[in-house]
Amino acid sequence: AQSVTQLGSHVSVSEGALVLLRCNYSSSVPPYLFWYVQYPNQGLQLLLKYTTGATLVKGINGFEAEFKKSETSFHLTKPSAHMSDAAEYFCAVSVITGTASKLTFGTGTRLQVTL
Amino acid sequence: NAGVTQTPKFQVLKTGQSMTLQCAQDMNHEYMSWYRQDPGMGLRLIHYSVGAGITDQGEVPNGYNVSRSTTEDFPLRLLSAAPSQTSVYFCASSSPGRGTYEQYFGPGTRLTVT
Repeated sequence: AQSVTQLGSHVSVSEGALVLLRCNYSSSVPPYLFWYVQYPNQGLQLLLKYTTGATLVKGINGFEAEFKKSETSFHLTKPSAHMSDAAEYFCAVSVITGTASKLTFGTGTRLQVTL
Repeated sequence: NAGVTQTPKFQVLKTGQSMTLQCAQDMNHEYMSWYRQDPGMGLRLIHYSVGAGITDQGEVPNGYNVSRSTTEDFPLRLLSAAPSQTSVYFCASSSPGRGTYEQYFGPGTRLTVT
């Protein structure tokens, strides 16, 4: 079984500052890892994903994440926060078996961006 | 493409009532799933399907039924609503068999049970 831990349910940064949202996972098989963003009263939108290959993955809106197998981590970063980045962010792990891709989510981190 | 659509957007039920949440996708994805989102708990898998006629339980299946008669549709049924089922429900789809590992989410249904 897999699990995800997101450290910090709320993170506050100043506009222009570095964004770092932490995610650690547990999986008995090589994982597929995802970050999703949710704006208020909306569904989830994929930010980026790691499946295989390059461990540094780039996503939309300037976000990137690095898969570190030795640390079982997949932290999300953005060099410079923008007010529009304020949202809730979810890290998720999936094990792909044939045509099934069940996601296990972390509890989410709400990002606040201040002036 | 409309992607994943869900109806209704909002619903209020009384305890004991039944209803069906609709979900449809037009991407020919074989995998579809239902999640519920509760504050501080992230999203939890209710039921999923790997194709028409094939469904299975997720993490929190009690009180919910599903069926999948077509590739496009995956309705979620609440047989006898309880206040504990007050939540936001999301439907999602993907196609891991064709290399689409990420799941595409619908806009959600906000359900209140009084």
